[in-house]
Amino acid sequence: AQSVTQLGSHVSVSEGALVLLRCNYSSSVPPYLFWYVQYPNQGLQLLLKYTTGATLVKGINGFEAEFKKSETSFHLTKPSAHMSDAAEYFCAVSSSGGYQKVTFGTGTKLQVIP
Amino acid sequence: EPEVTQTPSHQVTQMGQEVILRCVPISNHLYFYWYRQILGQKVEFLVSFYNNEISEKSEIFDDQFSVERPDGSNFTLKIRSTKLEDSAMYFCASFSGQSNTEAFFGQGTRLTVV
Repeated sequence: AQSVTQLGSHVSVSEGALVLLRCNYSSSVPPYLFWYVQYPNQGLQLLLKYTTGATLVKGINGFEAEFKKSETSFHLTKPSAHMSDAAEYFCAVSSSGGYQKVTFGTGTKLQVIP
Repeated sequence: EPEVTQTPSHQVTQMGQEVILRCVPISNHLYFYWYRQILGQKVEFLVSFYNNEISEKSEIFDDQFSVERPDGSNFTLKIRSTKLEDSAMYFCASFSGQSNTEAFFGQGTRLTVV
């Protein structure tokens, strides 16, 4: 069984400030972890993923996330928020086996204040 | 880059009507999935399909729903008699089955039941 908890359904940051979106996961097997971004009325865009190897992963648009097994966390960060980052962000987990059912968190809506 | 294609992008249907949502997965992929996202909520797993049969389904996937891979390329989701609460974004995904890779999501079909 696997699950994802995203702390904070809404996060507001000022333009240029650090973005930190929190994600904790639960998985009975080694997980694959993902962050997706969704703009209004659009589909899911993969921001970044962790499968194996380096625990700090870099994604598109300057985002990165660090897999911390001891904390069962996969928080998403960006050093400097841009207005175009305003969107909903979903953390997700799947098993590392050959069957990839993805379980999504409830999402965090990011607001960027000018 | 290969992608999962969903048609139509938006479908409006009357309550009680049958609707078929279509997906063309990535050609060498082996696992296929449907997910649903009710407006403002998280993305939920509906069903997975492998080797021409359902491998897992959620409690949402009741007798009103069915899936089919009719011709080796398309993967369809049929809702037999739509209800208002079926209004949602439906995402198709496919996965190759290879390790260290992820499932790929389509851009979604927005279903509106009136």
